[in-house]
Amino acid sequence: EVKLVESGGGLVQPGRSLKLSCAASGFSFNDYWMGWVRQAPGKGLEWIGEINQDSSTINYTPSLKDKFTISRDNAQNTLYLQMSKLGSEDTAIYYCARAHRYNSYVMDAWGQGASVTVSS
Amino acid sequence: DIRMTQSPASLSASLGETVNIECLASEDIYSDLAWYQQKPGKSPQLLIYNANSLQNGVPSRFSGSGSGTQYSLKINSLQSEDVATYFCQQYNNYPPYTFGAGTKLELK
Repeated sequence: EVKLVESGGGLVQPGRSLKLSCAASGFSFNDYWMGWVRQAPGKGLEWIGEINQDSSTINYTPSLKDKFTISRDNAQNTLYLQMSKLGSEDTAIYYCARAHRYNSYVMDAWGQGASVTVSS
Repeated sequence: DIRMTQSPASLSASLGETVNIECLASEDIYSDLAWYQQKPGKSPQLLIYNANSLQNGVPSRFSGSGSGTQYSLKINSLQSEDVATYFCQQYNNYPPYTFGAGTKLELK
């Protein structure tokens, strides 16, 4: 069974940093592109970025490129999202997602999400 | 960025009814479109990709169609478990991939 489990969310003060992790299991992690998507309360989905199998290609949504960093550790089957200079607009559920095996632009497995609240 | 406009924003339908949800792209996306279902309190699930390819395990009552800038998701014989919010996503021109604002489907 494919499982993606996010961790590291919580309450953080404005201007601070936070790092999310996503533990993957049930599939060959190093064969897949992986990505992050977020959803502000009561809002739609916003794509954050993606990383390829060997971390040689990382794409971001332009507005978040200077704040967020995606990385992965294939030995640990873990995906990461480092977030810096957080503001209230970054309050959201953050989803880790696996890209489709044969169409890496769509996401065919999602974690349950990590809640991040930015507030003083 | 390509803008994706979904309609309607919400709809109410009866069990067994056929439902159509539309997605309009701000430019031609050459069928590079996916549909996701998000049930209340859950994470999104992939339904359709490449505009009309059904993801493994998704019931055949779901289907996708369209081309150019206009796409649709059709649900035949609506079931209670289909109550959810549906999102379209384009992946023709990225980054970023962009999503529609969602269509909330409720039972009448």
